[in-house]
Amino acid sequence: AQSVTQLGSHVSVSEGALVLLRCNYSSSVPPYLFWYVQYPNQGLQLLLKYTTGATLVKGINGFEAEFKKSETSFHLTKPSAHMSDAAEYFCAVTSTSGTYKYIFGTGTRLKVLA
Amino acid sequence: DGGITQSPKYLFRKEGQNVTLSCEQNLNHDAMYWYRQDPGQGLRLIYYSQIVNDFQKGDIAEGYSVSREKKESFPLTVTSAQKNPTAFYLCASSIGGGSLSEAFFGQGTRLTVV
Repeated sequence: AQSVTQLGSHVSVSEGALVLLRCNYSSSVPPYLFWYVQYPNQGLQLLLKYTTGATLVKGINGFEAEFKKSETSFHLTKPSAHMSDAAEYFCAVTSTSGTYKYIFGTGTRLKVLA
Repeated sequence: DGGITQSPKYLFRKEGQNVTLSCEQNLNHDAMYWYRQDPGQGLRLIYYSQIVNDFQKGDIAEGYSVSREKKESFPLTVTSAQKNPTAFYLCASSIGGGSLSEAFFGQGTRLTVV
């Protein structure tokens, strides 16, 4: 069975500091991995995705993530946090196992301090 | 513009009443999903449908029902059997048909049962 673990339900960073949100997955088949962002009372918006190919994936708003198969990780980073990055972030996994379900982590709420 | 429309955005119902949440997409996607979101629990899958006239239970289907009579529509009924229906409900769709891509989300419906 597939699963996603996001370490840290709340993360605080200073404006201009590095953002690092952690995601580890469990999958018996090659995974497809996603990061989404959610602002209050809104739906989820895709930040970036990994399917195949290059393991360093760049997304919108300056975010990027690196797929590390040996560590079963897909951590999200941004070199310099902006106030507008304050939101909740979700990591998700799906695969070619046949069910095509998207399994989400429990989310990490990012707070950016002025 | 293509997208997913959920209505209404806010819904209030009395305990013991059934209520139906609407989800419509004009993306020509085969697959559609319903998730429930509660604080600290991430997104939990209620039902999903890979094709018209077919759907499968997700992880928390008890107390919910769905139909998929049209490709564009995937309404969710929250029945009186659902013990704790107050939550934020998100509908999503994806290309499906064996093609792995990201899920697209609606803006959500916040259901409050009083």
